[in-house]
Amino acid sequence: QKEVEQNSGPLSVPEGAIASLNCTYSDRGSQSFFWYRQYSGKSPELIMFIYSNGDKEDGRFTAQLNKASQYVSLLIRDSQPSDSATYLCAVNVGNTGKLIFGQGTTLQVKP
Amino acid sequence: GAVVSQHPSRVICKSGTSVKIECRSLDFQATTMFWYRQFPKQSLMLMATSNEGSKATYEQGVEKDKFLINHASLTLSTLTVTSAHPEDSSFYICSARFEEAFFGQGTRLTVV
Repeated sequence: QKEVEQNSGPLSVPEGAIASLNCTYSDRGSQSFFWYRQYSGKSPELIMFIYSNGDKEDGRFTAQLNKASQYVSLLIRDSQPSDSATYLCAVNVGNTGKLIFGQGTTLQVKP
Repeated sequence: GAVVSQHPSRVICKSGTSVKIECRSLDFQATTMFWYRQFPKQSLMLMATSNEGSKATYEQGVEKDKFLINHASLTLSTLTVTSAHPEDSSFYICSARFEEAFFGQGTRLTVV
């Protein structure tokens, strides 16, 4: 079993819709979780991080964490074509700063 | 957010030569930096953890003699790909943690 799993997609949503991206992880001791966005040929850029169970909102983005289910998600409201990218879920290993990444989900927002 | 600068952004080298990639934290001190590699359509794979003033810690399957890491100061880590081969062609990315991990721009290495 992979340590961090994501559906590779592509996930296609119409402009203005809510995009829901999901991620599961295997290490029950993981404490911090990150969502990165990566455009083709570019480095990942941090969108959000979450440490506690529940929801965390930042603008159009909401991260949701359920440690009991070992599940973290990212919701993007009012999706825009510029949101089209690969979204990487990452989990911190212990407290080392070392991140384990999922394979990423490709999101396509159609005008 | 914090700024991590990586150089060069793109390099083409001949098979058998060595290539050095620099990673700098511009506005904070990073005692630890990380080097990742990303092949097309795949996720980032951690190669090694670079520790200032000590030896790097390599992930399983990564050849430490091929991928030389030096972390001589709190703001600079370098990755040298020695005796590069075409299969080393990849996207190399460094990161440094300041509360969260911030990434350099990445280096596209092509070995011909």
